[in-house]
Order: sequence, then structure tokens, then C-alpha cells
Amino acid sequence: GAGVSQSPSNKVTEKGKDVELRCDPISGHTALYWYRQSLGQGLEFLIYFQGNSAPDKSGLPSDRFSAERTGGSVSTLTIQRTQQEDSAVYLCASSLGLSAVEQYFGPGTRLTVT
Amino acid sequence: QQQVKQSPQSLIVQKGGISIINCAYENTAFDYFPWYQQFPGKGPALLIAIRPDVSEKKEGRFTISFNKSAKQFSLHIMDSQPGDSATYFCAASSGLTGGGNKLTFGTGTQLKVEL
Repeated sequence: GAGVSQSPSNKVTEKGKDVELRCDPISGHTALYWYRQSLGQGLEFLIYFQGNSAPDKSGLPSDRFSAERTGGSVSTLTIQRTQQEDSAVYLCASSLGLSAVEQYFGPGTRLTVT
Repeated sequence: QQQVKQSPQSLIVQKGGISIINCAYENTAFDYFPWYQQFPGKGPALLIAIRPDVSEKKEGRFTISFNKSAKQFSLHIMDSQPGDSATYFCAASSGLTGGGNKLTFGTGTQLKVEL
């Protein structure tokens, strides 16, 4: 079937604006993860969902970042009052469940804050 | 801080040669060690993974060697091809023992395979 999809593929926004990034996991995958990839920090974990709940939000860098998942499928990562240091590629991954360790990544959303 | 240290940062190999990338970890709770391959503009793709109850896993030209006592693992790419030119990331998680599936990544190795 289809892989993980993310939208938009690219987003340019002005400092101070809010942005929403969307992830559509592989059908049937109940676990969903958000990561951020930046030149300075490499690939870092942000948050993961099992179903609609988020047992681990430890990687969210500040309270400007939030995420939700509805219907056990699509997830949205929201960044409020964007800053230039938020510029990065935001990656989403999914797995069959928490007992399944293999994670499959989407193509990412490249966010540029000007 | 849970860390995974990866080396080298970049690697140039001749076509047909062996590419070797090394990783070391600190957290003994890690129980799952995947390698991801990433091409420019794409998301990381799961390449091969190993669990600490085995010392080696081979899939085609790709082999992971695992040394539990040294807390090190490595990726070997045999008969390297220009199409293998990409960035490779090692990672670790403690998902198998209920410690959470979040992946901790190494810093990446840019591999270039020359003709």
C-alpha cells in the first residue's frame, strides 16, 4: 500500500506566524512519530502517538509546539509564533504498533522561517 | 543524555569496495539497532536492523555487526555501488523491552561511491 505521506512538502513562513504540518501514516499503523532534522541538531525525536494519545512528548522543544492525532490516523504538528530556529525538515514515521519497532518515514516537510 | 555516536562523518569508497560505518551507544537499555539510508530530499528509509541477541545480520550486500560488550555496532556495505551514495544513519531504541520506541539517531555518514 501507500507509504507515509506528509503535506505540504515545503513551507515558507514569516517569523511569528503559526504553521500546521500534516502526516498521514501507513494504513493500519497505530503508532505515529514526529522527528525533526536540522543541520545543527541532526535527527531528533519530538513526540509519538499510540492511537490518539501521546505517551511521550519529551522531545517537543517548547510550548510553541503541539501535536494532535484524531481518529487514530492523521496527525497535525502545529508550531505557533514561528522562530528562525524552527527552520528544519519535519519528518513523520509510523509503525504497526508500540510492539513493532520498525518505523517507516515519510518524505518530510521542509519548513523555512524568514 | 542518551547518545549514539557515529563515525566517520564522511566516507569515499571506490566502486566494488567495502564501506564501513561505525556506531557506539551508551544506554544499555537499548535493544533495537536499525540503520537508515537517506537520499537528498527524501525521508530516511529503513535498511537493516539488529537485536542484541545476535552478533551479525546480513541482508544482501548489507551486514550489521554487533558487539554487545563493547556497546558498538557497524554497517558493512559489500561491493559498494554508485547507487549506494547517500547519507546513512544508525539509531537505537528500547522499544522491545517496553522502554519506548523513540529512535535516538547518530549524526550521519555521507557515503560517496566513486567509479
